[in-house]
Amino acid sequence: SQTIHQWPATLVQPVGSPLSLECTVEGTSNPNLYWYRQAAGRGLQLLFYSVGIGQISSEVPQNLSASRPQDRQFILSSKKLLLSDSGFYLCAWSTGYEKLFFGSGTQLSVL
Amino acid sequence: GENVEQHPSTLSVQEGDSAVIKCTYSDSASNYFPWYKQELGKRPQLIIDIRSNVGEKKDQRIAVTLNKTAKHFSLHITETQPEDSAVYFCAATPEGKLIFGQGTELSVKP
Repeated sequence: SQTIHQWPATLVQPVGSPLSLECTVEGTSNPNLYWYRQAAGRGLQLLFYSVGIGQISSEVPQNLSASRPQDRQFILSSKKLLLSDSGFYLCAWSTGYEKLFFGSGTQLSVL
Repeated sequence: GENVEQHPSTLSVQEGDSAVIKCTYSDSASNYFPWYKQELGKRPQLIIDIRSNVGEKKDQRIAVTLNKTAKHFSLHITETQPEDSAVYFCAATPEGKLIFGQGTELSVKP
């Protein structure tokens, strides 16, 4: 069966520090991969999605970037975090453009 | 791009009553409409979905209806129970990506 791993579960970072969140999927090939951000427990905002290795689509201009170095690995990064980057980050995958399965999320606090 | 509006933002019902959450979308190309349930501190979980060639789908106490002409779809929960309390999200899929509504916080009071 397919599983998705996302880490870390919580992260506290100072303003201006770098960020790297990693997500991996097991049990499927060539999944579509997504990064969403959720602020204050509501509103899932799509940040990036990828339909294949090296293919990244950005939905919202911001301080973040994404990369997909391997088929089932998706990384969210920032060179310098801002206070406004705080939130709950969710990785997700799908085998088409329909059923989306979420990782357990990373609660990021930028102080 | 696609815009998904969801109402109400909060909903409080008595146990046993029905709850209805409504969503509208803007992109007529959207053809898949899932609903997710998110309990506090947990990941969103798919609870039901509907495709554009179907007008209604039911799964036990949960049903979803779709009106493509009017571009709106709704989630219906009957005989609500305290464990139904959560945030519910609707979504639409234009251009191969899921765009979510802002969520409805449902509270079921015993």
